[in-house]
Amino acid sequence: AQKVTQAQTEISVVEKEDVTLDCVYETRDTTYYLFWYKQPPSGELVFLIRRNSFDEQNEISGRYSWNFQKSTSSFNFTITASQVVDSAVYFCALLYYNNAGNMLTFGGGTRLMVKP
Amino acid sequence: NAGVMQNPRHLVRRRGQEARLRCSPMKGHSHVYWYRQLPEEGLKFMVYLQKENIIDESGMPKERFSAEFPKEGPSILRIQQVVRGDSAAYFCASSQEPGQGSEGYTFGSGTRLTVV
Repeated sequence: AQKVTQAQTEISVVEKEDVTLDCVYETRDTTYYLFWYKQPPSGELVFLIRRNSFDEQNEISGRYSWNFQKSTSSFNFTITASQVVDSAVYFCALLYYNNAGNMLTFGGGTRLMVKP
Repeated sequence: NAGVMQNPRHLVRRRGQEARLRCSPMKGHSHVYWYRQLPEEGLKFMVYLQKENIIDESGMPKERFSAEFPKEGPSILRIQQVVRGDSAAYFCASSQEPGQGSEGYTFGSGTRLTVV
């Protein structure tokens, strides 16, 4: 079964703290893609990153970094020096291939609250 | 290069009325996906369509819900005889042909349906 688990439903930090959002996935496929999306209070989905299953190199983009570990089926997301504007719900997602084509399945999301 | 366009952004319907949600995919994208986000929950897959074909409707409720993606015009998600439990954000996404190397979905801003 293809599944994404975000065990942390809600995290609260104080501004400037570092915070890591966990994502664990399940798939039998060898080819798949992992994503993170941000959903701010305004409600739209903002794409953050895509990573394919053959590329385990960690990535850093400004204050954001991602740690992909196939051995533990995890794709964790760290925000360094958090800011109030980072307050949002963050979704991890897995794209896999099935008979129909492909399918994007989401975790339940982690609500991050950054307090000033 | 417009992204995925959904309209309306907000829709209010009384119980028993019909709701029609529209989605125009990104230019060059021939695959459309509908997701539903109930309040305080993650996104759940509903249906996957290509032009004039329903590819996968495993996430669609068995009654009252239907979707189409005609040869011309936007994809339509139709909910008949709406009930309060249909109140949710409905997101549409589009993608290119799977396996083209740009795997990933582009999401619209969503339609927020409120049933009163």
